[in-house]
Amino acid sequence: GESVGLHLPTLSVQEGDNSIINCAYSNSASDYFIWYKQESGKGPQFIIDIRSNMDKRQGQRVTVLLNKTVKHLSLQIAATQPGDSAVYFCAENKGDTGRRALTFGSGTRLQVQP
Amino acid sequence: NAGVTQTPKFRVLKTGQSMTLLCAQDMNHEYMYWYRQDPGMGLRLIHYSVGEGTTAKGEVPDGYNVSRLKKQNFLLGLESAAPSQTSVYFCASSYGIESTEAFFGQGTRLTVV
Repeated sequence: GESVGLHLPTLSVQEGDNSIINCAYSNSASDYFIWYKQESGKGPQFIIDIRSNMDKRQGQRVTVLLNKTVKHLSLQIAATQPGDSAVYFCAENKGDTGRRALTFGSGTRLQVQP
Repeated sequence: NAGVTQTPKFRVLKTGQSMTLLCAQDMNHEYMYWYRQDPGMGLRLIHYSVGEGTTAKGEVPDGYNVSRLKKQNFLLGLESAAPSQTSVYFCASSYGIESTEAFFGQGTRLTVV
């Protein structure tokens, strides 16, 4: 079946560096692609989303890029901080009528080294 | 603001026992969801609800039942627990059909022995 997946299970970066977390998707019918952050022992927290008709969207220290040609989504975190250490999930908001629940990928763990 | 509250936070069940997980939200959200999260995997949708009195199956509904009698509450039931249902369960809610921002509870860690 269609799914959202991730390239790398763990990403280790130095504090202050930029981080790039990647995600591949297969459902071209999704209206939105979303990034969530999950800290240890907590529920996922919304970071940023991008509509399927956009290529780029920026937030505070984060940028999401969408490449529909290769069905690839990425999250860029500028000047990574220790507080950014978490598991990051990409998700999609499937476009099926009546089915708007989020579908999540398996996650990438980001480790920020001091 | 409390947001999304799950009860209980931890539970150990014996195989065959039943239990109900309670989710409550105070944001007047229409949509509510139950997910399970297993090690090394993302969140998988069990059941969801698009409004009071409605429920629908997600990706992994077998062995679970749900009810949404009140808009603010979404209950997840396990009628006969199995070890395969050992997982962390998350409830979430969102405003409506176009909302991409779901608010999650803290999770319930369930162990079935």
